[in-house]
Amino acid sequence: DSGVTQTPKHLITATGQRVTLRCSPRSGDLSVYWYQQSLDQGLQFLIQYYNGEERAKGNILERFSAQQFPDLHSELNLSSLELGDSALYFCASSAPGTSGATTQYFGPGTRLTVL
Amino acid sequence: DAKTTQPPSMDCAEGRAANLPCNHSTISGNEYVYWYRQIHSQGPQYIIHGLKNNETNEMASLIITEDRKSSTLILPHATLRDTAVYYCIVRVVGAGNMLTFGGGTRLMVKP
Repeated sequence: DSGVTQTPKHLITATGQRVTLRCSPRSGDLSVYWYQQSLDQGLQFLIQYYNGEERAKGNILERFSAQQFPDLHSELNLSSLELGDSALYFCASSAPGTSGATTQYFGPGTRLTVL
Repeated sequence: DAKTTQPPSMDCAEGRAANLPCNHSTISGNEYVYWYRQIHSQGPQYIIHGLKNNETNEMASLIITEDRKSSTLILPHATLRDTAVYYCIVRVVGAGNMLTFGGGTRLMVKP
């Protein structure tokens, strides 16, 4: 158990809909990262938040957005869903860097199926 | 971040050491080598990381060559539960320190 929690575990929805995925980081971690894993693309970085502020952006679609709240939990919002958005979505968290190396710990993921 | 090259698949007999190689010939002096694994569709699991010295923890050992252009992850006594995809990642640590996953090595531990 990494200490990172994600809800829901599974989500089935229809094209055109909007969903929200939730992530709670490990206690004390300030950074939250979102990754997408689809069959044809592998694991891809989407976005990072650090203490409520967006820190880095990867291959995140404009239909997707995220935020990190004052209690440090994060939500990933996916809208106008398409079949191709079906994937595993992972959240990871890391502590503030001290020695120069920060390790990311991953949650169990949310499996999104768009029908 | 430096690109890594790993064999797509490897087999290992249960109880034997599993040695997973990784080439990162363009690694920079300030880039760390990280290893993660993913068992089936679970979240990636952190294994170990290093900069230039060899490292060991309760899960594995990491051997980094002196020129830092390659490394080997060693699972000393592989079990069936070690069957997974193993990812070698090199990255600069700092702002925006996302992980860039390649294809990894699919390790199959056989009885």
